[in-house]
Parts: sequence; structure tokens; C-alpha cells
Amino acid sequence: GQQVMQIPQYQHVQEGEDFTTYCNSSTTLSNIQWYKQRPGGHPVFLIQLVKSGEVKKQKRLTFQFGEAKKNSSLHITATQTTDVGTYFCAGPKSSGSARQLTFGSGTQLTVLP
Amino acid sequence: DTEVTQTPKHLVMGMTNKKSLKCEQHMGHRAMYWYKQKAKKPPELMFVYSYEKLSINESVPSRFSPECPNSSLLNLHLHALQPEDSALYLCASSHRTLWDTQYFGPGTRLTVL
Repeated sequence: GQQVMQIPQYQHVQEGEDFTTYCNSSTTLSNIQWYKQRPGGHPVFLIQLVKSGEVKKQKRLTFQFGEAKKNSSLHITATQTTDVGTYFCAGPKSSGSARQLTFGSGTQLTVLP
Repeated sequence: DTEVTQTPKHLVMGMTNKKSLKCEQHMGHRAMYWYKQKAKKPPELMFVYSYEKLSINESVPSRFSPECPNSSLLNLHLHALQPEDSALYLCASSHRTLWDTQYFGPGTRLTVL
């Protein structure tokens, strides 16, 4: 079945360094969503990408959707301690007649001051 | 109002207890969800309600019983749980389908003794 793989599982960076997490799907995705979960918190929606090759920016965050719509990345420039948390990508999958959302395994980001 | 509320925040129960988790949203969303999240893992979909009807049950054991009394409310009734059911239970809602942006509640942290 369709899987969404995410790497790396963990990333420790010094404050001010850049960070990237990658998401890969075995099949073409109609769209991909990104969520952030702070420690002890709940997932919060960041963005949705729909178009092939799409690039969206939110301040220091840059999101990309691959040309083949099978991969995506989230890049954070000059990380801050407020960026700490786990970043999940999530893609839709169809199981029979049911539409479902499948989450990647997440990348846990630690930012060292 | 873009908030999903959940009660209680924490719940400790014995294996013979019966308890309920509650979720509420006032965004006019017609799809609501229950997820289970173990530590350092992504959310796992349990149930989907679409227009107050159960549309997806991800092979969840019958000791978990969902209920959608109206379009704003979602309950999860718990009975005869096992210690391995201890987890963060997240409620979410979206406009109409799982492929729309998911708005998560803060979750109920459940401990089964």
C-alpha cells in the first residue's frame, strides 16, 4: 500500500543553522500537507501543496513539492529555539472507496541555543 | 473560531472502568476524526465521521466506541481498555474530507492502569 516515508527521524542543530526534512511517497500524491507538533502539544497545520513543482514560503520556512508529486521538503533557514518540535508530512491515500490521510513518521527537531 | 476543544485533558482509568472523551468544534466542519498517538510516533487514524455518519473505522477494537451526536460534537466511549491503549487521543476536524486541512484539538492523555 501507499506509504509516506520521512527522513531524517531526528535532527539536532545549533541555533542559526539551517534544517531540512524530506518526505517521499511510493505513489503520486494529489497534495501534501505539513504539520508541526511542539513537545507536549498537538499537530498544527502549516501548509498544503497541490501543484507539481510548487514552492511556498512562510517567513523562514520554505516548502517544496516535487515535479513528479512524489516527494516534498520543508527547509527552515536560520533555526530558532521556537522551531523545536516534530514536523510531519501527510499525504492522501485511497483505500478502496475510502479516502484517508497518511502521516510520515515525522522529523524531531532539536535546536541547541 | 478555529479551535477544536477536547475534554478531559488527562484521564487515568482502570481496565474495568467506562469513560468518555469529548470533542467539540464550531467551525462548521462536516468531517471529524479520532486519532491515537503514541510517544514519538505519528497520529494513527481511528475513526472518521462525515456528515455525522461513521465513514471509516480503521479496524479499531470494539472497546473503543465512537459517537457523533451532532455536527459539532464527537465522543469516544472507552470500556475495558488495556494498558497498551495508553496514548494521546486527538480529535480533529476538517471542512469536508480527510484531504482538507485538519484542525487538531489539544488531545486527551490517557493512562490505563
